[in-house]
This record gives sequence, structure tokens and C-alpha cells, in this order.
Amino acid sequence: TQLLEQSPQFLSIQEGENLTVYCNSSSVFSSLQWYRQEPGEGPVLLVTVVTGGEVKKLKRLTFQFGDARKDSSLHITAAQPGDTGLYLCTETSGSRLTFGEGTQLTVNP
Amino acid sequence: KAGVTQTPRYLIKTRGQQVTLSCSPISGHRSVSWYQQTPGQGLQFLFEYFSETQRNKGNFPGRFSGRQFSNSRSEMNVSTLELGDSALYLCASSLVGRNEKLFFGSGTQLSVL
Repeated sequence: TQLLEQSPQFLSIQEGENLTVYCNSSSVFSSLQWYRQEPGEGPVLLVTVVTGGEVKKLKRLTFQFGDARKDSSLHITAAQPGDTGLYLCTETSGSRLTFGEGTQLTVNP
Repeated sequence: KAGVTQTPRYLIKTRGQQVTLSCSPISGHRSVSWYQQTPGQGLQFLFEYFSETQRNKGNFPGRFSGRQFSNSRSEMNVSTLELGDSALYLCASSLVGRNEKLFFGSGTQLSVL
């Protein structure tokens, strides 16, 4: 079973700051997804990355997949309180998702 | 289009009891999977059903079981509840469940006393 490590585990920042969270694996990802989970809700898919070196942008969020497909990062520019949530990376293997424990992000107004 | 619906939203049980949780997937979705979320272990895969058949199973004891009906609705059952079963149980649906986007419900928060 692939192990996914996410860092940092907790992050508390002020509105307007930039931040980066990381997802690392002991082995190569077939494909990787990032989800965000808000309090009291289920996770919502943000992006899927498949190709090594791939960069995807979603408004103020930038996702990068490592060249060796063993790591990924999520960068948020000018964070807003609405970005608060648990950010989860997952590795897909057929119909099963393996999740990291997530980064709990709090953006204070 | 309605999202994934899980019922009940909250549940309190005592040790030794059993519980049944329900999940209605998005219309047209045939794959339903279940996850357990706890603060210490994160999200752990329980099992996945497709066309009424269990297609994949995680590393949970036999006390955890599930089924899927012909309309794709799914239920999971936990028998002989233990304190450690307290968790948020999430259901997710997708069209066919192969490396696809999963749509999650809001979960059932189970507390075992």
C-alpha cells in the first residue's frame, strides 16, 4: 500500500499571505488528485494530475506534479478565509483512493 | 442534479449495538464507495460496490459490511460496535469508479459510547 505524507499537518495564516503544502510518496503515483474538505462536508475534488512535471492552475491555486511523479505541491496565492479547510492528496488505484492525512489550513481574516 | 445523500447525518450508539448507514448516489452513478474518517487515521477505504457487486475491499474486520441495491443505493452495516468505530463515514459515487472523479456525500457522524 502506497503511503502518502502531507506536510505541514497544520497551517494557520493571515488573509493575503501565500502558502505551499506538499504531498510525498514512497513510490511513483499513477495519478494524483487533490481534494478540499470543509467542516461538516465531504471532500470535493480540486484537480487531477497525471503527467510528471505537469502544472495546473485553478484561480489562485497552482498544482504541480513532480517530474518523477513521487511528489506534488499545492500553492495558494493571496489566501482568503474561504480557502480554510482540510487539503487532501490522494493516489488513485482503480476504484480505490489512498489518502494522505491532509493539511488543515486556517486562513484568518 | 442532486448530490450524494447520506442518512442519517448523526448517530449515537452504544458498544455492542449494530448500525446501518445509507447512501443515495448521484443519479446515473453506478459505483459507490465507502470511507471511514478519523482524526488519527485520516480517510480509510472500506469497500466499493458496482452494479450490486463488491468490487474492492479495504482492510477492515468482517464486522463492516455493505451492499448495493439495483437502483445503486448502498448501505453499510457495522455490527458489534466498538468505541474505536466512532468516526465520520463518507460515501462517494462515480459513474463507473475507475480513476474517476468521486463525488462525496456530507457523511454520517457516528459516535459509539
